[in-house]
Amino acid sequence: EDKVVQSPLSLVVHEGDTVTLNCSYEVTNFRSLLWYKQEKKAPTFLFMLTSSGIEKKSGRLSSILDKKELFSILNITATQTGDSAIYLCAVSAYSGAGSYQLTFGKGTKLSVIP
Amino acid sequence: NAGVTQTPKFRILKIGQSMTLQCTQDMNHNYMYWYRQDPGMGLKLIYYSVGAGITDKGEVPNGYNVSRSTTEDFPLRLELAAPSQTSVYFCASSYSDRVFTFGSGTRLTVV
Repeated sequence: EDKVVQSPLSLVVHEGDTVTLNCSYEVTNFRSLLWYKQEKKAPTFLFMLTSSGIEKKSGRLSSILDKKELFSILNITATQTGDSAIYLCAVSAYSGAGSYQLTFGKGTKLSVIP
Repeated sequence: NAGVTQTPKFRILKIGQSMTLQCTQDMNHNYMYWYRQDPGMGLKLIYYSVGAGITDKGEVPNGYNVSRSTTEDFPLRLELAAPSQTSVYFCASSYSDRVFTFGSGTRLTVV
């Protein structure tokens, strides 16, 4: 059974802090790892990672994948209150008959206090 | 471009009632999915479809049914609602295994 484990499950930081969120996985037929940010409603896409060692960046957020050790990290620098959300890690895997599935971790709830 | 549209946004059902959650996408995606999200539990896959006429079970299919008669629509049916089905339901679509686009969710309460 495919498994995605995120840590920590919750985190409280002050504005301006830097945070690192972790995601480890055990899946068969790995295709890609995705990070989503979920505020009130639907998850919104942040990054998709398919290759080891290549950092993806978007403003203060960055992420990297290690396919040998089967984990990814999401870094947020100079955190702001608007970064408060649940961050979801998901792994896409080929499930046979031309189909792909996303397996989600439980998420990391980040709270940024002023 | 509407993306993935889910209706209704909220619903309260009595135990034993049935309902259909609607999901429509206008991106011509072949893959569509239904997830449920319980507090602190991440998203769990209920059913998915790789194209019109093809559906398959996910991790937690019991108590649900789906159909995919067109590329655009992927309704989720609850036949005999139970309190354990109280959850937030998300529909998603993708072109292949790449970025999934999610609908805004349906919050369902079974009392």
